[in-house]
Amino acid sequence: ETGVTQSPTHLIKTRGQQVTLRCSSQSGHNTVSWYQQALGQGPQFIFQYYREEENGRGNFPPRFSGLQFPNYSSELNVNALELDDSALYLCASSLWQGVGDTQYFGPGTRLTVL
Amino acid sequence: DAKTTQPNSMESNEEEPVHLPCNHSTISGTDYIHWYRQLPSQGPEYVIHGLTSNVNNRMASLAIAEDRKSSTLILHRATLRDAAVYYCILGGFGNEKLTFGTGTRLTIIP
Repeated sequence: ETGVTQSPTHLIKTRGQQVTLRCSSQSGHNTVSWYQQALGQGPQFIFQYYREEENGRGNFPPRFSGLQFPNYSSELNVNALELDDSALYLCASSLWQGVGDTQYFGPGTRLTVL
Repeated sequence: DAKTTQPNSMESNEEEPVHLPCNHSTISGTDYIHWYRQLPSQGPEYVIHGLTSNVNNRMASLAIAEDRKSSTLILHRATLRDAAVYYCILGGFGNEKLTFGTGTRLTIIP
């Protein structure tokens, strides 16, 4: 069973640029969630996709957008990058079964905005 | 979202049991209690979850107070690999969004 993978591992961008981060879900999972983790903080929920549809969104501006593909892999896109977007971006996949679902996290992508 | 309160940090000696507390006085009747941990330079990993009864798995035990306003994660025999940030999270019915706090940083002393 393949776990959750993310690419790239590290990324450096400059303010105003756009970035795309990628996530491959664990085999058999149909839901993916994205989180942003600033240094020294817990992860913050960005949004979730279930069967290619957005299924909940946290307190993030519209320049954070996402996609989920038919194979349940996912992308996180961030436009007009700001310095505060520097963080570890985590994706987590799960199988929608209702209550108390377990999420499996990838290792994250470290984004640095200069 | 219902809030949890955890100590910022704890230390424990290797090979001894560790009790990590979590207070959640505003928990609702449908909230599950989830514990995740984050090892250095890794994404969070699931540890255990429960609703009302105490739970055991190969990683840990979860003791839930009778009034459900607090819980304790128990690592029966800490190893150096258990050094991590431990997050106590409440999850509502069918809600997969995880609301992380700042967690408890556990240091294991050899």
